[in-house]
Formats: sequence, structure tokens, C-alpha cells
Amino acid sequence: GNSVTQMEGPVTLSEEAFLTINCTYTATGYPSLFWYVQYPGEGLQLLLKATKADDKGSNKGFEATYRKETTSFHLEKGSVQVSDSAVYFCALRFSGGSNYKLTFGKGTLLTVNP
Amino acid sequence: DGGITQSPKYLFRKEGQNVTLSCEQNLNHDAMYWYRQDPGQGLRLIYYSQIVNDFQKGDIAEGYSVSREKKESFPLTVTSAQKNPTAFYLCASSIGRSDQETQYFGPGTRLLVL
Repeated sequence: GNSVTQMEGPVTLSEEAFLTINCTYTATGYPSLFWYVQYPGEGLQLLLKATKADDKGSNKGFEATYRKETTSFHLEKGSVQVSDSAVYFCALRFSGGSNYKLTFGKGTLLTVNP
Repeated sequence: DGGITQSPKYLFRKEGQNVTLSCEQNLNHDAMYWYRQDPGQGLRLIYYSQIVNDFQKGDIAEGYSVSREKKESFPLTVTSAQKNPTAFYLCASSIGRSDQETQYFGPGTRLLVL
């Protein structure tokens, strides 16, 4: 079946540091890929997405590139801020049969210190 | 102001009691979803509905029930058969069923057992 594997957290960085959160997937075919962010006590917000190989999703300084050859969708940001502290979820969505659910990774907690 | 609302924010359940979580959307979306979030486990799909008066079981439907009588509403009932209901419950919706479409999430309801 489909699955998503994220790097385990927590990840702690200083402000202005470079961020990478690794995400790899297993799926039959070519799913759409998503990064969601969850701030403390809140629901999930879409951060960025990519729907086909070599697409790059970007938003708020975050980027991720859909790499079919390595089945990866790593999240990067060049300079993190304290306000980026949150849990980040990688997810895929594949229209197998009649089920259009999102399959999530376990989430990675990011803490950015001033 | 379009979006997804969930109520209540916190809900307490006594042993043997059924409780219902509300989810309403004014985005005119056809598809709606319920996910359960447990610490360190990401999100898992409970039920989903692609159209009014139709819904399907997700990965962990046992102990839960839903209805979809109106396009904008998708309430989730946690029954007494659900032995471990303590979790954060997230409702989501999307325009339709395409694997490229974004799911938008509500703010969540935290269910606690007394």
C-alpha cells in the first residue's frame, strides 16, 4: 500500500539556520505530494504541493521538489524564523479505486530558537 | 469568510456515552473527510464522503459513525464501542475527488474521556 516516511524529530534550530525535513514515499503510480503545517493547538494548513515529477512547490520561503527517481519530496527553507516552529506533515494522495484519502507521515516537530 | 468550522473545541465523554462532533463548511465542496490524530502517529482516515447521502469507511472506522444529509455538514459520532477515543479529530473538505485537489482542514476538536 501507499506510505510516507518522514525524518523523525524533534528538530531544533537557531533562527536563520537552514532547514531540511526529509520525506520519502512508497506508492503505486505517481501520486500528488503535499506538505502541511500544524501550529500548536490548531488544524492543518496546506504549505505547498506538487502534482507531477520535477514540479517544485513553494510558499512562504519553503520549497520542495517532487523527485520521482528517489521517490522523495524533501522540505527546505534557507533561513528559518521563530514563527516557523510547528509540526510539519508530508502527505500523498493517490486516486486508487474510489478512495481519495491523504496518506500522512508521522509529522516532524520543528522548534526554532531566537 | 469561507472555511471549515468544527465544534466544540474540547469535548469530554463519559464511559458508555456517545458524543457527536460537528463539522460545517461553506466552501461548496463536495467531498468531506474525518481524520484522527494521535501523538507520534500522524493522521488516520476514519470516514469520508464524496457526495451528499453517501459515505465510505476509512482505515479506522470501527466505533465511529457519520451522516451526510446536507452538503455543508458531516457530523461524526464517537460511539461507546470506540474503546480509546481520546484524540484530536480533524475534519477536512475538498472540491471533488481528483488526486490533485487540496484538502482544507478545520481547527479540530480535542476529545477527552472522563
